[in-house]
Amino acid sequence: DVKVTQSSRYLVKRTGEKVFLECVQDMDHENMFWYRQDPGLGLRLIYFSYDVKMKEKGDIPEGYSVSREKKERFSLILESASTNQTSMYLCASTPTGGPPLHFGNGTRLTVT
Amino acid sequence: ILNVEQSPQSLHVQEGDSTNFTCSFPSSNFYALHWYRWETAKSPEALFVMTLNGDEKKKGRISATLNTKEGYSYLYIKGSQPEDSATYLCAFKNGGATNKLIFGTGTLLAVQP
Repeated sequence: DVKVTQSSRYLVKRTGEKVFLECVQDMDHENMFWYRQDPGLGLRLIYFSYDVKMKEKGDIPEGYSVSREKKERFSLILESASTNQTSMYLCASTPTGGPPLHFGNGTRLTVT
Repeated sequence: ILNVEQSPQSLHVQEGDSTNFTCSFPSSNFYALHWYRWETAKSPEALFVMTLNGDEKKKGRISATLNTKEGYSYLYIKGSQPEDSATYLCAFKNGGATNKLIFGTGTLLAVQP
């Protein structure tokens, strides 16, 4: 079974802090994704990566950056956390040409 | 702008009831339609990936149909059980080059014992 692991289940940070959300997958998938889930809005794509060091903006990239230095790890970075980034963050992976998405358990981030 | 809509937003049923929800998506340039189940405190898990018009898929008591010409998919649950309580998400992929999925807002199902 594919395992997608997100480093933290719950995280509380202060406004202005730099925040790192880590995601690791163990199945050699080429594609990795970061989504956020907010009530009434559905899952929205922040960034995705289809290979090491490759990244593409999703639908809501503002205020975020990503890093993919190794194939198994995809990091989401909040350069200066703001309260409107309080949300549930989900990481997912999939092989090239092969749905479906395999999700991590999510990180619930609160920015105070 | 691609839009995926799910209805109803939420549903409360009694154990043993059968139920269904709808996912509407753009009917042009269709590539695939996914259904996911997301239980509280767990990760979303894939139920079905559907690609052909008229496709019907089944997994236990859950089944799904697909109509790409009119842009909708139905998810059916027969004889709902409390463990079926979850948010059901659909996601649409068009024929573009990327692996991006557009998600609906989900249907929250609560099954009362």
